[in-house]
Amino acid sequence: GENVEQHPSTLSVQEGDSAVIKCTYSDSASNYFPWYKQELGKRPQLIIDIRSNVGEKKDQRIAVTLNKTAKHFSLHITETQPEDSAVYFCAGLRGGGNKLTFGTGTQLKVEL
Amino acid sequence: DTAVSQTPKYLVTQMGNDKSIKCEQNLGHDTMYWYKQDSKKFLKIMFSYNNKELIINETVPNRFSPKSPDKAHLNLHINSLELGDSAVYFCASSYGGGETQYFGPGTRLLVL
Repeated sequence: GENVEQHPSTLSVQEGDSAVIKCTYSDSASNYFPWYKQELGKRPQLIIDIRSNVGEKKDQRIAVTLNKTAKHFSLHITETQPEDSAVYFCAGLRGGGNKLTFGTGTQLKVEL
Repeated sequence: DTAVSQTPKYLVTQMGNDKSIKCEQNLGHDTMYWYKQDSKKFLKIMFSYNNKELIINETVPNRFSPKSPDKAHLNLHINSLELGDSAVYFCASSYGGGETQYFGPGTRLLVL
């Protein structure tokens, strides 16, 4: 089955800096890669996703890149703000499948 | 106008008891999920139903039994609760095959 690895497990940045979180996946049949943000005590919420027919997708300060050959994808947050502090999860979904496999999460802390 | 709701929000109980968690979604989705998030924040799929039919059944003790009376509801019954069952249980829903999942607020279960 699919295995998704996520790095780093914790990331601390200064406000205004950029943050990058990286994930690798094992199943070459995976074709959908969402990113979820989970604030403390809250539910995971989808913030951006990318499909395998696209190499990059951007939404304001967040962007996701996908390298199908290397089987890795990354989340980029620019101009970080304190409200970006949360746990971020990447995930992968096999084409035609139903099971979303999550990475182990990255605790992002944006310091003033 | 809550999209995915769960009850109860908190559940504190003794070992050996039986408890149920309920989930409802008003998004018109046909697929619902149960996830377990442990103290290390790992999100693991437990079960998934599509139109009341069980489609994902991960390696979960058979003390856990999901039930879907209709496609808008998915309940989780847990028999003979153990200390290791303490976790946050999230319900989620989506259209069809696993993309764009919306999570409920979570049920924080503490087994004493």
